[in-house]
Amino acid sequence: AQSVTQLDSQVPVFEEAPVELRCNYSSSVSVYLFWYVQYPNQGLQLLLKYLSGSTLVKGINGFEAEFNKSQTSFHLRKPSVHISDTAEYFCAVISSGAGSYQLTFGKGTKLSVIP
Amino acid sequence: EAGVAQSPRYKIIEKRQSVAFWCNPISGHATLYWYQQILGQGPKLLIQFQNNGVVDDSQLPKDRFSAERLKGVDSTLKIQPAKLEDSAVYLCASSLLLSGGNYNEQFFGPGTRLTVL
Repeated sequence: AQSVTQLDSQVPVFEEAPVELRCNYSSSVSVYLFWYVQYPNQGLQLLLKYLSGSTLVKGINGFEAEFNKSQTSFHLRKPSVHISDTAEYFCAVISSGAGSYQLTFGKGTKLSVIP
Repeated sequence: EAGVAQSPRYKIIEKRQSVAFWCNPISGHATLYWYQQILGQGPKLLIQFQNNGVVDDSQLPKDRFSAERLKGVDSTLKIQPAKLEDSAVYLCASSLLLSGGNYNEQFFGPGTRLTVL
């Protein structure tokens, strides 16, 4: 079985400061990893994904994440946040080899950017 | 390109009533998913269709929830009868056909927010 832990439920940060949102996963097989963003009253939008290859993944809106297999982590980072980054962020995992490609999500981290 | 459409956007019902949600996936997407997102939690997969066949419904509470995708395009999710704990956002997502171990991105609709009183 696969699971995702997002260690922080809420992260306040000042505008133009860096931010890191933490994500750890557990899975007994190879994984695909994702970060999604959800703005109020909207669906989920894919920020970035790791399927294979380089462990440093760059996504939209200046976000990046690094896959660390030994630490089973996939932390999301941005060097300088904007007010518009205020949203909820979800880490998700798929265990490759499972035919249904079921996405398992973490509980989410609410990022609040303070002017 | 139009995204995943869902309706209604909001629904308020009393417990023991019935409710249905509708989803229209992105044109050409053979795979359709329904997720339940309870407040404070991440989305949880309820059911996955490939064309009009069910791939995974292991987390669907089948005593009260049902879903169909008769023509392999639109889908409806029904709850009958609703319970208080069914209050959540119901998200629909779609992707290209899953095959050969290749992952295809899931695109999400805006969701339907259900409140059960």
